[in-house]
Amino acid sequence: QQQVKQSPQSLIVQKGGISIINCAYENTAFDYFPWYQQFPGKGPALLIAIRPDVSEKKEGRFTISFNKSAKQFSLHIMDSQPGDSATYFCAAGYTGTASKLTFGTGTRLQVTL
Amino acid sequence: DAGITQSPRHKVTETGTPVTLRCHQTENHRYMYWYRQDPGHGLRLIHYSYGVKDTDKGEVSDGYSVSRSKTEDFLLTLESATSSQTSVYFCAISERDSRGIEAFFGQGTRLTVV
Repeated sequence: QQQVKQSPQSLIVQKGGISIINCAYENTAFDYFPWYQQFPGKGPALLIAIRPDVSEKKEGRFTISFNKSAKQFSLHIMDSQPGDSATYFCAAGYTGTASKLTFGTGTRLQVTL
Repeated sequence: DAGITQSPRHKVTETGTPVTLRCHQTENHRYMYWYRQDPGHGLRLIHYSYGVKDTDKGEVSDGYSVSRSKTEDFLLTLESATSSQTSVYFCAISERDSRGIEAFFGQGTRLTVV
């Protein structure tokens, strides 16, 4: 049972373009939605996170858009750079206790010159 | 990597043998987790700990056990390794504070069961 569905599986974007990755969740009790970035041979690293009380959060070139009624959230990477080439995971969790996260299946992003 | 050390980083073992992976943290974080990462599945929670000697099961706990006798160490044991447990295993830590509940991940252990 996949509680967090992520798409697309892979994405190729030209340098300077906008990368968009989408996620949908099922459990309305989730109240914490982070995005992780992972480079080959490394562990995932937190990129940006949002709580359901806001519809958008921006940090530099990275923006999360959150639609609570549709149970969807997305990551937008503006002015994509070759250094952004990595695998991106969305996740959902609870802030009440431990940070037990349910992850999406990942999106491999390649930014071409 | 937020003061998290996983050992070993790579291991090849035979089917049916017990295997223990170690996670060591220097951050004094309360919560520790073991995830496995497989293509097409993302990361899935195996077990987690919310304090010394306090552990609980995650989504894919069958065939795994954990122990936490000290704040800084969280051990994952495969009681009798099977080929389906070939995976990359990640330890993570977190602490609830004013910034939230960000989870920090280690570098991972690549385990191959032959």
